[in-house]
Amino acid sequence: EPEVTQTPSHQVTQMGQEVILRCVPISNHLYFYWYRQILGQKVEFLVSFYNNEISEKSEIFDDQFSVERPDGSNFTLKIRSTKLEDSAMYFCASSEEAGNTEAFFGQGTRLTVV
Amino acid sequence: AQKVTQAQTEISVVEKEDVTLDCVYETRDTTYYLFWYKQPPSGELVFLIRRNSFDEQNEISGRYSWNFQKSTSSFNFTITASQVVDSAVYFCALSERETSGSRLTFGEGTQLTVNP
Repeated sequence: EPEVTQTPSHQVTQMGQEVILRCVPISNHLYFYWYRQILGQKVEFLVSFYNNEISEKSEIFDDQFSVERPDGSNFTLKIRSTKLEDSAMYFCASSEEAGNTEAFFGQGTRLTVV
Repeated sequence: AQKVTQAQTEISVVEKEDVTLDCVYETRDTTYYLFWYKQPPSGELVFLIRRNSFDEQNEISGRYSWNFQKSTSSFNFTITASQVVDSAVYFCALSERETSGSRLTFGEGTQLTVNP
């Protein structure tokens, strides 16, 4: 069964460093998303991406964040200068269509900023 | 603005009991979509069901059933004859419209613990 894959599963980084989280969405999906979940809290939307551009972003997704689809398969989230409060589980998701279809989530990348 | 409320933070039941997880939502749109996701201890998010705002039929899938009531803006989830493997955090989520890249707004989640 096709699935969304994320790498790495766990990343530890020092405050102020740049990190890139990687995702391979399901191949025939057109919409891509990043969500984050701070430990013990709810899942929060960061950004959605369609047709090689951001279609929607939340207030969390400030100038420190960027997304890219560098080739036909990968979808990345970059955090330019990490802060302690960026520590969270980051989920990538993809869907065939927009909000009316289910989004399939990857297993997540746990980011720890020290 | 869209909002999802799951008032039950934690529920603990004994195996074989039935349990209902509540979800109340707020939206101004007439077209919207409701979802339930399961997050087991391993951490991934597993899709369970999607329901659109025009379809108020209840749905049953094995031991799972969902009750959608627009009049009370609720989309409740019932597990019949619960099992230990049902222990997880369950999230209700809402998506508005069919516009490009519609975000999912999640509730706070309900931690369900099923004890043997």
